[in-house]
Amino acid sequence: KQEVTQIPAALSVPEGENLVLNCSFTDSAIYNLQWFRQDPGKGLTSLLLIQSSQREQTSGRLNASLDKSSGRSTLYIAASQPGDSATYLCAASSGTYKYIFGTGTRLKVLA
Amino acid sequence: GAVVSQHPSWVICKSGTSVKIECRSLDFQATTMFWYRQFPKQSLMLMATSNEGSKATYEQGVEKDKFLINHASLTLSTLTVTSAHPEDSSFYICSATSEGPYEQYFGPGTRLTVT
Repeated sequence: KQEVTQIPAALSVPEGENLVLNCSFTDSAIYNLQWFRQDPGKGLTSLLLIQSSQREQTSGRLNASLDKSSGRSTLYIAASQPGDSATYLCAASSGTYKYIFGTGTRLKVLA
Repeated sequence: GAVVSQHPSWVICKSGTSVKIECRSLDFQATTMFWYRQFPKQSLMLMATSNEGSKATYEQGVEKDKFLINHASLTLSTLTVTSAHPEDSSFYICSATSEGPYEQYFGPGTRLTVT
């Protein structure tokens, strides 16, 4: 059974710092690994999708990597801004394509 | 493209009544739709998977007679919470996927409050 864990659970950084969020999964036979952000009381905003054949994806200040053999994905945020404050979730999909979500990282970027 | 909508976005109902939540894929045909539940400050938990024209597959611990899912067309799935109780109060989010990379597109969520 797939389990997805995110570390740290919460993170507070000053504006401008580069930071890394971690996502670990127990079953390496994944189909997709997707990163989302969620603002309080809101739905999900998709950030990056990495297919199993890919190693990384980039969008603006965000870079996500995937290492299936070690069961890890990282989300790198460059030059963090207060507007990046949110909860970040990773989700892994397996053969049935259903997503198992991680526990989330609550990020606060201080101005 | 790939927009998923949910209706209503917010609903309050009395204990013992039923409430229906709709999930629509607006610009693509969704072969599969998923329903998730999210309690405050927790992550999303998958409730069930539905394919058009088939019975939904429920995750362990989810009561299928309480959470009725109907996937009547390739663009619409509904979740009916029957005989709602305060403990059913939660944020319900649907997602939809089509053929290909099977990326899931998420709806904006429905906040259900049962009084």
